[in-house]
Amino acid sequence: KQEVTQIPAALSVPEGENLVLNCSFTDSAIYNLQWFRQDPGKGLTSLLLIQSSQREQTSGRLNASLDKSSGRSTLYIAASQPGDSATYLCAVRASNYQLIWGAGTKLIIKP
Amino acid sequence: DVKVTQSSRYLVKRTGEKVFLECVQDMDHENMFWYRQDPGLGLRLIYFSYDVKMKEKGDIPEGYSVSREKKERFSLILESASTNQTSMYLCASSLTSLNTVGYTFGSGTRLTVV
Repeated sequence: KQEVTQIPAALSVPEGENLVLNCSFTDSAIYNLQWFRQDPGKGLTSLLLIQSSQREQTSGRLNASLDKSSGRSTLYIAASQPGDSATYLCAVRASNYQLIWGAGTKLIIKP
Repeated sequence: DVKVTQSSRYLVKRTGEKVFLECVQDMDHENMFWYRQDPGLGLRLIYFSYDVKMKEKGDIPEGYSVSREKKERFSLILESASTNQTSMYLCASSLTSLNTVGYTFGSGTRLTVV
């Protein structure tokens, strides 16, 4: 059974620092992995999607990597800003209809 | 960009009422999903649909039903609302066969049952 774990559960860093959020999964048979952002009380915004055949994806200050063999993905945020404060969720697409979710990392960027 | 629109951001309903949550997507996605999100429990799948008039139960379907009469619209129905259905409800859509396209979520509906 696929399980997705996100570490740490919460992270607080000063503005300007680079940081890494981690996502691990137990079964390497995935279609893709997607990183989302969720602001308090709001829906989910897709940040990056990495296909199973890819190693990384970049969007602005965000870079997501995927290592299927070790069951790991990282989300790298460069030069963090207070506006990056949110909960970050990773989800593995295990079938056409199924996403397996991590519990999320709550990120706080201190001005 | 694909847009998934949920008709209400906030709803307050009384116990026993029949509640309809509406979701519309504009990109011809085959799959549509309803999740609920509760603190400490994460996202849990209620129902999904892979085609018009087709539906499948997710992890927590009890107390809910769904309707998909048109491809772009997926409705979640609380037959008789109860206080334990107070939650954030999130709708999502995706394509079936392509792993190059991820899921797109709506902004969520926060439902309070009193």
